[in-house]
Amino acid sequence: DTGVSQDPRHKITKRGQNVTFRCDPISEHNRLYWYRQTLGQGPEFLTYFQNEAQLEKSRLLSDRFSAERPKGSFSTLEIQRTEQGDSAMYLCASSTGGPETQYFGPGTRLLVL
Amino acid sequence: GQSLEQPSEVTAVEGAIVQINCTYQTSGFYGLSWYQQHDGGAPTFLSYNALDGLEETGRFSSFLSRSDSYGYLLLQELQMKDSASYFCAVRGGNKLTFGTGTQLKVEL
Repeated sequence: DTGVSQDPRHKITKRGQNVTFRCDPISEHNRLYWYRQTLGQGPEFLTYFQNEAQLEKSRLLSDRFSAERPKGSFSTLEIQRTEQGDSAMYLCASSTGGPETQYFGPGTRLLVL
Repeated sequence: GQSLEQPSEVTAVEGAIVQINCTYQTSGFYGLSWYQQHDGGAPTFLSYNALDGLEETGRFSSFLSRSDSYGYLLLQELQMKDSASYFCAVRGGNKLTFGTGTQLKVEL
């Protein structure tokens, strides 16, 4: 069990550019979640996968955001045409069974200039 | 929708006991989780209550009252390393909704 990993750990980009983040969950975990966290706030749910199926998306997730989990293992989160308001920590978590016990990765910190 | 309230900050001395409260309003409540997050770190699972009552895990205990839409996290024998943010999170269906967190400062 190597834990949840995320790549990159930090990303600086210019407004209008596209960025893609990767998450590798714990190998036997079939559930995968993406969150966004800003300073002084709790993690904010973005989307949820069970195996390769994306079963829930936050209505806060604009059409500039897309996530995939093509083979039910790793997942990617893409943000198109980034805006300064997208600057945040993007966290990935995985679980087996229910969502109450999630294991979080170290996050990708995004700064949009 | 779902909303949670926690105190923004709590300060206590090393060796003491501290209680962090959480009240929630939600539809479709399944249970209440607690997570710890150190500055610059990832949230780490502490406990989960689906039923009323107290769950104890070492120095940490968590309580839930479904009828009062209320829970708390109790930390005993506080240590400096317990200085962190603590989040309650409501399980509704397939996801967690997190509160804004309580920053705990442990002083000598």
